[in-house]
Amino acid sequence: DAKTTQPPSMDCAEGRAANLPCNHSTISGNEYVYWYRQIHSQGPQYIIHGLKNNETNEMASLIITEDRKSSTLILPHATLRDTAVYYCIVRVVIADKLIFGTGTRLQVFP
Amino acid sequence: NAGVTQTPKFQVLKTGQSMTLQCAQDMNHNSMYWYRQDPGMGLRLIYYSASEGTTDKGEVPNGYNVSRLNKREFSLRLESAAPSQTSVYFCASSDWDGTENEQFFGPGTRLTVL
Repeated sequence: DAKTTQPPSMDCAEGRAANLPCNHSTISGNEYVYWYRQIHSQGPQYIIHGLKNNETNEMASLIITEDRKSSTLILPHATLRDTAVYYCIVRVVIADKLIFGTGTRLQVFP
Repeated sequence: NAGVTQTPKFQVLKTGQSMTLQCAQDMNHNSMYWYRQDPGMGLRLIYYSASEGTTDKGEVPNGYNVSRLNKREFSLRLESAAPSQTSVYFCASSDWDGTENEQFFGPGTRLTVL
């Protein structure tokens, strides 16, 4: 499975967009990009995933570069409740396993 | 729906004791997983079960055994607990059908081994 690289921490003002980058330069053609988040020490929560097209759902948007070597998770209007650790995961579609890194700790401040 | 439930929520063991962590899901999912999370780290896969009756090792299986009791339940057993197994344990399930899908996680079991 391809490895991912994320900044260890980021800050964002409440109400502003939070843009969380992820580098996955060794990604293969059949590997999806998944994002999960973990609030406090709760179980991780699925956010969004994509293969090569940009994706949007009620929680976030996922922008994947054309060469698929990096992606950005966008929380359009961050709230205090979005303070969490965000994990970017690259996953082979035929292998139902998630390989977590250490993630980005996002702190949203008032 | 309760989703994924885990028992117990907290447990303290002495070195050498054994225990079983229980996990159940009510979403009729085929696949179930056990992860552990050490402080400041991401989750690591211990074992998983792609379907009822099958189990496979993950990244860190040593010191653990699992049982997929039925479609709903997947238990994790520590036969002889060691301090290195102090961690938070998460169970997850998914409706794995060979395509992309999400995993749903339980609230975790916080285990301390003295």
